[in-house]
Amino acid sequence: GAGVSQSPRYKVAKRGQDVALRCDPISGHVSLFWYQQALGQGPEFLTYFQNEAQLDKSGLPSDRFFAERPEGSVSTLKIQRTQQEDSAVYLCASSFTGGNQPQHFGDGTRLSIL
Amino acid sequence: DQQVKQNSPSLSVQEGRISILNCDYTNSMFDYFLWYKKYPAEGPTFLISISSIKDKNEDGRFTVFLNKSAKHLSLHIVPSQPGDSAVYFCAAGSVSNFGNEKLTFGTGTRLTIIP
Repeated sequence: GAGVSQSPRYKVAKRGQDVALRCDPISGHVSLFWYQQALGQGPEFLTYFQNEAQLDKSGLPSDRFFAERPEGSVSTLKIQRTQQEDSAVYLCASSFTGGNQPQHFGDGTRLSIL
Repeated sequence: DQQVKQNSPSLSVQEGRISILNCDYTNSMFDYFLWYKKYPAEGPTFLISISSIKDKNEDGRFTVFLNKSAKHLSLHIVPSQPGDSAVYFCAAGSVSNFGNEKLTFGTGTRLTIIP
């Protein structure tokens, strides 16, 4: 497809389990972003890659959150030892370059921690 | 602190009339602003953007106005159509800072177009 693809769309995990969320950006897009969206709120920045380089991870809420983009294309957001407060929609976005190119979002992964 | 604010959680507008959505920001480093539209269970869809060197940008029925001195931007939709019913997010970024290209979002305004 032509858009940003995220999988799975829905993920339910028990507290303490590890989860991995995948993002496949638009082909050719250099920049990739992860955001977290809580219910009734706007997306909040987690981390940013330019190609395989993670240039900003200031939004990651704890060291349980880890993101990678080893070949500069697909990215994975991993959450270890999940907690109930990790329940949210995780959105991935990509843009052609950075700068004033708009970010295009996937449909997100809705994560529920029981 | 909320650097991007959308003070109206909801707005209802008659079909065919103008919809005006507002957004305020506090960070003077922001120099790039965007509006996104979001339907339930979908990701935000890019609508329109504006750079801080402009005060207006138009794309079809959508116009964004930027007032830098007031740190305020607005989105005008005219005429409003039933398919415009969605949640609208204002977002801001600082593109002049390489490596700092994250967007900061407001909390959204739910627009309902009444047929």
